[in-house]
Amino acid sequence: KAGVTQTPRYLIKTRGQQVTLSCSPISGHRSVSWYQQTPGQGLQFLFEYFSETQRNKGNFPGRFSGRQFSNSRSEMNVSTLELGDSALYLCASSGGPYNEQFFGPGTRLTVL
Amino acid sequence: GQQVMQIPQYQHVQEGEDFTTYCNSSTTLSNIQWYKQRPGGHPVFLIQLVKSGEVKKQKRLTFQFGEAKKNSSLHITATQTTDVGTYFCNIWGSQGNLIFGKGTKLSVKP
Repeated sequence: KAGVTQTPRYLIKTRGQQVTLSCSPISGHRSVSWYQQTPGQGLQFLFEYFSETQRNKGNFPGRFSGRQFSNSRSEMNVSTLELGDSALYLCASSGGPYNEQFFGPGTRLTVL
Repeated sequence: GQQVMQIPQYQHVQEGEDFTTYCNSSTTLSNIQWYKQRPGGHPVFLIQLVKSGEVKKQKRLTFQFGEAKKNSSLHITATQTTDVGTYFCNIWGSQGNLIFGKGTKLSVKP
C-alpha cells in the first residue's frame, strides 16, 4: 500500500497570510490526525478526523482548522499566520492492529 | 492536562554503548507506544505495550512496561550509528487524543 502523502512539502508564507495543507491517508484508513512539530514543543496534537467528523481536538487557537472529505483525504488550514506557526506539520492516518499512527513526510512551513 | 514526561532529552553515546530512555506518567496507562524519528524523517511506529510488566524485544531494542503501568522504558544494547534519531513514547489521553512525550534525541559517535 502507498504510504501517507502530504502536499506541499515546503511552504514559505508571510505573517497574516493563510495556508492550506493537504494529506492523503493510507488507503482504507478512515482516521487522520494532524500534529505540529517544533524543536521546543515537540510533537503536539492538533486534531483528529474520522469519517469526515472531528473526533478530537488539541489545545490550539481557532486559527487552526481542518476538514476531512468523503475519500478520507484531509486538509488543514491556518489563518492569519504568525511567526510562531513555523513548524513541521505532520499528518498521520491510523488503522493498523495497534491503531498506530502512520505518519506522512510532513509539510515544512516557514512564516516570515 | 494529562502528560507524559520523557527523559533524558538528549543522550550522546559512543558506538557500542547502551542507551535507555524513560517515559513516566502520573496516571495509570491503558497502553503505551514507542516511535522513532530519524533526522529529517517522520516518526515511525516501533511497538505497543499493553500488559503490566510486559517486556518486548526487537533485536537490540528492549521495551518494558512498568508493573503499575505508569512508566515505560526503551533500552538499546550496543548502539550503532543506525540508531541515531529521536525516540518518542505516546499515550492515549483521557479524551481519546494521542499525547507524545518530548522525545529523547540519541546521537551515536562512531
